[in-house]
Amino acid sequence: QSALTQPPSASGSPGQSVTISCTGTSSDVGGYNYVSWYQQHPGKAPKLMIYEVSKRPSGVPDRFSGSKSGNTASLTVSGLQADDEADYYCTSAGTKVFGGGTKLTVL
Amino acid sequence: EAQLVESGGGLVQPGGSLRLSCAASGFTFSASWMTWVRQAPGKGLEWVANIKEDGSVRNYVDSLEGRFTISRDNAQNSVYLQMDSLRAGDTAVYFCTRDRAWNGFDIWGQGTLVTVSP
Repeated sequence: QSALTQPPSASGSPGQSVTISCTGTSSDVGGYNYVSWYQQHPGKAPKLMIYEVSKRPSGVPDRFSGSKSGNTASLTVSGLQADDEADYYCTSAGTKVFGGGTKLTVL
Repeated sequence: EAQLVESGGGLVQPGGSLRLSCAASGFTFSASWMTWVRQAPGKGLEWVANIKEDGSVRNYVDSLEGRFTISRDNAQNSVYLQMDSLRAGDTAVYFCTRDRAWNGFDIWGQGTLVTVSP
C-alpha cells in the first residue's frame, strides 16, 4: 500500500494558526475527496476530527478545518489552544494506510 | 452513547496465539464495517484488517502474511482478531474502530495492549 507523507512535527504559539500537510498520490489523496484526520493525545484513542476532506463531526470545534489541493491534503488548526497539543494522522480513500503522524506542539 | 470496548490483550511468547475481542454498543453494529488498527510503542497508527457488515469480505495488511484472522458475531455485537504465530514486531496497542469507509473511523475503543516477549 502507498504511504501518506506528513511532516514529523509542527508548532505554534497560543492563538496562532498552524497547518499540517498530508501528501499522497493521484491514486489516493488526489483521486478522491475522502481524506480524514485524527487527533491523538498520549495514551488515548485517536479521535476523528475531519472527514471527506473538510467536514467536521459533531462536537469538533470549527477551529479545525481541512482542505485539499492536488495530491496534498491539509489540516489547519486556528486559534491554537494548549489542548490542541497532540499527534495528528491523516488517511485517505484508495489506501489502507495512515500518514506517519505529526506531533503538534503548542509553544 | 456509541462505545467500543476491547479485551484479550496481554503478554504472550513469540510463536504464540492470542484472540482479541471488541464489544460494541450504542449503534447498529450489524450495519457497520469494522477495522482493527494497531500502534507499536512510540510509533504511528497502522491499519491491520477490516470486515464487512455481514462478514463476507475481509481485508488484511500485506505484512501479516496470513497470521491474523478477523471475524465477527453480529448476534453478540462483537468483532474479533485471532492472532497466530506472534512475533516481537506485533507488540502494540490494538484498537477496534467503526469504519465508515469514505467518512472515516468515527468510533474507537480504548485499545488493548499486546506484548510479544520471551
